[in-house]
Amino acid sequence: SQQGEEDPQALSIQEGENATMNCSYKTSINNLQWYRQNSGRGLVHLILIRSNEREKHSGRLRVTLDTSKKSSSLLITASRAADTASYFCATDRAGNNRLAFGKGNQVVVIP
Amino acid sequence: SAVISQKPSRDICQRGTSLTIQCQVDSQVTMMFWYRQQPGQSLTLIATANQGSEATYESGFVIDKFPISRPNLTFSTLTVSNMSPEDSSIYLCSAGGGSYGYTFGSGTRLTVV
Repeated sequence: SQQGEEDPQALSIQEGENATMNCSYKTSINNLQWYRQNSGRGLVHLILIRSNEREKHSGRLRVTLDTSKKSSSLLITASRAADTASYFCATDRAGNNRLAFGKGNQVVVIP
Repeated sequence: SAVISQKPSRDICQRGTSLTIQCQVDSQVTMMFWYRQQPGQSLTLIATANQGSEATYESGFVIDKFPISRPNLTFSTLTVSNMSPEDSSIYLCSAGGGSYGYTFGSGTRLTVV
């Protein structure tokens, strides 16, 4: 069954604001990853957080992971028009090596 | 991380025909995967492409409909057979894993008419 089932959201924000999106999953994981997809094209890997990590930063991205709640959040700070995309979380179950994707969050940043 | 070249980028096909999608990786990778993304939906794993052996299919996907080849560690193909309009989707290959996540091809947007 698919994991990484975040509530599908559509966010519309002004440039410069922060965007936060959430992801929940159901079973044990090895790691959780976030990807960006522009206009139905290929996915770009943004950040990976391991099950023993609680927070990770990469540039303007901040990811948190709460394994007790089986949830993760992705924060994009100081958003830009170029951040307009769909964002997916995906879980890599322990010993599985196969990703299960969530439903995705569509983010529109208004210049 | 690996770079994947996927082609074709898009195609419009007649129902009942087949389309083969190719993915070329710029380095040897152990794991390669094929996904389907139906319109407005998330990605669903079709199968794991295994080098030198038959692909491992996920529930709901069968080899007769989605035959996969993996002749070496840098190349894989997915064929969508006997297509119907319900097969209209974006098909993506991916490779890699480990600390750097997975790399994806740019996708093949298939429309079946």
